[in-house]
Amino acid sequence: GAVVSQHPSRVICKSGTSVKIECRSLDFQATTMFWYRQFPKQSLMLMATSNEGSKATYEQGVEKDKFLINHASLTLSTLTVTSAHPEDSSFYICSGRGQGVDTEAFFGQGTRLTVV
Amino acid sequence: QKEVEQNSGPLSVPEGAIASLNCTYSDRGSQSFFWYRQYSGKSPELIMFIYSNGDKEDGRFTAQLNKASQYVSLLIRDSQPSDSATYLCAAYTGRRALTFGSGTRLQVQP
Repeated sequence: GAVVSQHPSRVICKSGTSVKIECRSLDFQATTMFWYRQFPKQSLMLMATSNEGSKATYEQGVEKDKFLINHASLTLSTLTVTSAHPEDSSFYICSGRGQGVDTEAFFGQGTRLTVV
Repeated sequence: QKEVEQNSGPLSVPEGAIASLNCTYSDRGSQSFFWYRQYSGKSPELIMFIYSNGDKEDGRFTAQLNKASQYVSLLIRDSQPSDSATYLCAAYTGRRALTFGSGTRLQVQP
């Protein structure tokens, strides 16, 4: 299947700093990129959806000024967690999908963020 | 009501048995359904997807879809200890991202 490369896989940062997570689709054009967050023993929760060249659509309860999403090209999307707090510590996963109604989505490897 | 519901488990089966994982969804507009496997601390990996009523087989895995009952299932034949993981059911409505169930934890006992 197609590959989505997500970096970094793990990051530890201090409270108040910002962290950028990158997702690249390596062998397909990800017209849509989804960002999920998963807390321990919980399901994946959608944070936002971004289409290439457009502003991201955020889910209810997700602060768009805190979680900045950029999807400037068909192969790259970034999520920046600004002014990180310990409660932002989580597993962040991106997922890319090409065009088409039934096109499957491919997941990145995930980023384990720990804010200390 | 959650959009996609799964029993959290754990579902425990002996090695070699058939594991049956179930999922229901609330949005009749859902078009496609996906089963992902997720090992602890790892990203989900796609096992199968299905969008037509009936059965779809791929190796040891069979996905079943019943749109009238809004029910999706995944059967794993000849279960192996390496199949022990959390299985996520997801539905795609065509307007938004995949909506995931909370997952069912499967334990295959050697």
